[in-house]
Amino acid sequence: QQQVKQSPQSLIVQKGGISIINCAYENTAFDYFPWYQQFPGKGPALLIAIRPDVSEKKEGRFTISFNKSAKQFSLHIMDSQPGDSATYFCAASRGYGQNFVFGPGTRLSVLP
Amino acid sequence: DTGVSQDPRHKITKRGQNVTFRCDPISEHNRLYWYRQTLGQGPEFLTYFQNEAQLEKSRLLSDRFSAERPKGSFSTLEIQRTEQGDSAMYLCASSLALWGPYEQYFGPGTRLTVT
Repeated sequence: QQQVKQSPQSLIVQKGGISIINCAYENTAFDYFPWYQQFPGKGPALLIAIRPDVSEKKEGRFTISFNKSAKQFSLHIMDSQPGDSATYFCAASRGYGQNFVFGPGTRLSVLP
Repeated sequence: DTGVSQDPRHKITKRGQNVTFRCDPISEHNRLYWYRQTLGQGPEFLTYFQNEAQLEKSRLLSDRFSAERPKGSFSTLEIQRTEQGDSAMYLCASSLALWGPYEQYFGPGTRLTVT
């Protein structure tokens, strides 16, 4: 019940295309859902996050869609760029200050 | 740079040796977390502190692992009698957990290789 599932494992997108990564969870106590971007040899960097009281959040080219009833959320990267090539992790936590449960990650490659 | 810093960035050790890692959180962040990340996987929670108090430990944190945050600022993670299975990236994160913010900010990690 603590797991966060993530798909696809890897994704190849052409420059300018839309990248979509999906996550699902079971624990209804989760109330904060961040996405992190990680480049090789670096720590994860917070990209965007959402709470369950909204269905969508947009920041620049990045959008989170959240479906509370389905217990699913997704990251959409519009106008994908080669610089977006990285591994993306979804995560969830229950209550403020609590530890995150991470998905296994999606390796995104954006072709020039 | 006022981000989370970790030292060393890389550590190679022989099986059976003890190692210690240091994490300096973002100034004034009262929560500090340790995670472990193996190749191709997401980070896994190990333990976290609020100020100097260690509030939660994962089952992943065996008796060979110990973490401290003596004055509520920097933290150390020690692994005793290292095993090859301990090879991983050890990540530290910090947050300002008051009434609202959930955001955790990660450091660059310490890559441990046990030979």
